[in-house]
Amino acid sequence: DGGITQSPKYLFRKEGQNVTLSCEQNLNHDAMYWYRQDPGQGLRLIYYSQIVNDFQKGDIAEGYSVSREKKESFPLTVTSAQKNPTAFYLCASSIGGQGAYEQYFGPGTRLTVT
Amino acid sequence: KQEVTQIPAALSVPEGENLVLNCSFTDSAIYNLQWFRQDPGKGLTSLLLIQSSQREQTSGRLNASLDKSSGRSTLYIAASQPGDSATYLCAVRGVRNTPLVFGKGTRLSVIA
Repeated sequence: DGGITQSPKYLFRKEGQNVTLSCEQNLNHDAMYWYRQDPGQGLRLIYYSQIVNDFQKGDIAEGYSVSREKKESFPLTVTSAQKNPTAFYLCASSIGGQGAYEQYFGPGTRLTVT
Repeated sequence: KQEVTQIPAALSVPEGENLVLNCSFTDSAIYNLQWFRQDPGKGLTSLLLIQSSQREQTSGRLNASLDKSSGRSTLYIAASQPGDSATYLCAVRGVRNTPLVFGKGTRLSVIA
């Protein structure tokens, strides 16, 4: 069954702790993305990767880090430097490159930091 | 920088009504526009993708149109049902940047 998996669905952390969100895809897609969604804000791009071992900052990269060691995996670390980490995080993937193509999303991880 | 706007932000209609959701974008240099549906607490489900060379796409009761030169798209939902209640988002992929740029969405409620 092809798709994008994100784990866990809910995550709770204390302020000051780093936390890593998992994203795995078996669609053989080259490109992967992380978005953050807050009420009334829409989706904002955090980081994206168009190929293994390469990634670019999105609009709100401060306080986040990523790695892309495998084509299937694009984990996101929310560091203690992120001022307002509580949000709904969405991972996506696509074939990548130039041209028109669909982007697909995972089910999301809701992170709560207290 | 590409900006995507969706109007209205929220819409409530009685069951059976036909309705139109609007999406506008500022930079017409796009590869495609994609419409998504999002249920509360869930990820996004792709509904329709329109390539920049196309004028419309249809899937069941959904029809999306694209007027690239004026920077506008509409999503038409025919004979709305309570199960259509969700947030609908549009997003564009520009030729200058790979990731999709999203509007803030229209929250639709279909009342039985």
